[in-house]
Amino acid sequence: QVQLVQSGAEVKKPGASVKVSCKASGYTFTGYYLHWVRQAPGQGLEWMGWINPNSGDTNYAQKFQGRVTMTSETSISTAYMDLSSLRSDDTAVYFCARGPRRYYFMDVWGQGTTVSVSS
Amino acid sequence: QSALTQPASVSGSPGQSISISCTGTSSDVGSYNLVSWYQQHPGKAPQLLIYEVTKRPSGVSNRFSGSKSGNTASLTISGLQAEDEADYFCCSYVGRSTVVFGGGTKLTVL
Repeated sequence: QVQLVQSGAEVKKPGASVKVSCKASGYTFTGYYLHWVRQAPGQGLEWMGWINPNSGDTNYAQKFQGRVTMTSETSISTAYMDLSSLRSDDTAVYFCARGPRRYYFMDVWGQGTTVSVSS
Repeated sequence: QSALTQPASVSGSPGQSISISCTGTSSDVGSYNLVSWYQQHPGKAPQLLIYEVTKRPSGVSNRFSGSKSGNTASLTISGLQAEDEADYFCCSYVGRSTVVFGGGTKLTVL
């Protein structure tokens, strides 16, 4: 079955970086975008950007430009989201989600990765 | 890009129908038929309910339906069931290959 499995929870100090992985299975990895969405405690969903694993092209939400880097390794069907210069308000659950190219919806979601930022 | 506007909460009794609105602008919801809706139960990942305003993925109950008028999209849930109690989020394409989510609506089944 189609599945996205994310890496485990992370605890980071302010100013550090975090890298979250998202391993895909059950479909052609290069055939879909991979979006990253985060959710702060008790808050709504916030779209961060997407990567096209086929080309490596990325598109980031303006809020995260300069701080986020999305990459992928097609040989192991895995996408990564790297967020730098962490602040306390980056504490959130980070989700990866598959999306058909150019249709901008997300039909399969990972289980989420909790990132806690605290001194 | 500002978040789309959703009511913070809605409620209904079992068997009733409810609608959740999602208001954007003529630059996002009003310009593209690329609105999607997601259901999220506490502690779980979101699940796709509706895409491209009105389409339902296979496996999603036909009690869920979507529509759009002008700059406002709506999700309607008919025959409300206890298991529908969850948070609901809309999402719209806003141009330049980007999307934005609504603030979310908490549905309470009385």
